[in-house]
Amino acid sequence: GENVEQHPSTLSVQEGDSAVIKCTYSDSASNYFPWYKQELGKRPQLIIDIRSNVGEKKDQRIAVTLNKTAKHFSLHITETQPEDSAVYFCAASLYNDYKLSFGAGTTVTVRA
Amino acid sequence: GAGVSQSPSNKVTEKGKDVELRCDPISGHTALYWYRQSLGQGLEFLIYFQGNSAPDKSGLPSDRFSAERTGGSVSTLTIQRTQQEDSAVYLCASSDPSRQGNEQFFGPGTRLTVL
Repeated sequence: GENVEQHPSTLSVQEGDSAVIKCTYSDSASNYFPWYKQELGKRPQLIIDIRSNVGEKKDQRIAVTLNKTAKHFSLHITETQPEDSAVYFCAASLYNDYKLSFGAGTTVTVRA
Repeated sequence: GAGVSQSPSNKVTEKGKDVELRCDPISGHTALYWYRQSLGQGLEFLIYFQGNSAPDKSGLPSDRFSAERTGGSVSTLTIQRTQQEDSAVYLCASSDPSRQGNEQFFGPGTRLTVL
């Protein structure tokens, strides 16, 4: 099955700086890569996703890039704010197989 | 509209007892997923239901775990003869696969503690 690795496990950034989280996946057939944000004590929520026919996608301060050849994708958060502090999970799924394989998560702390 | 709901929110049980966890998906969502999240860990896939198809049970960790989905809506995850290592938050999610992106909407989870 699909194996997703996520780095780093923890990330501390100064408010206003950028944060980058990287994930690799094992199955070259995977074609859907969502990112979920889980605030403390709350449920995971989708923040952005990308399909394998696209190399980059942006939504305000967050962006995701995908390198299919290298089988890795990254989340970029610019101009970080305290409300960006949370655990972020990357995930991957195979074409027509909707179950997601999640990375272990990255705990992001934005220092004021 | 209402989101995914789960009950109970917390469950404390003794080792060896059976437990049932319930999930009410978003109305109209044909896909339903169960995940397990251990303390400080990622989300571990357990089982997936899609419409009338046979469920994908490939993530169930042992035969003590089972799940059913009645009438294509409510789902129950059953853990028999619970063990301490079953302690975790059990998350349910639902989605509408006909929509591009197939975003999964999560419930608040059930925190299971096995003493």
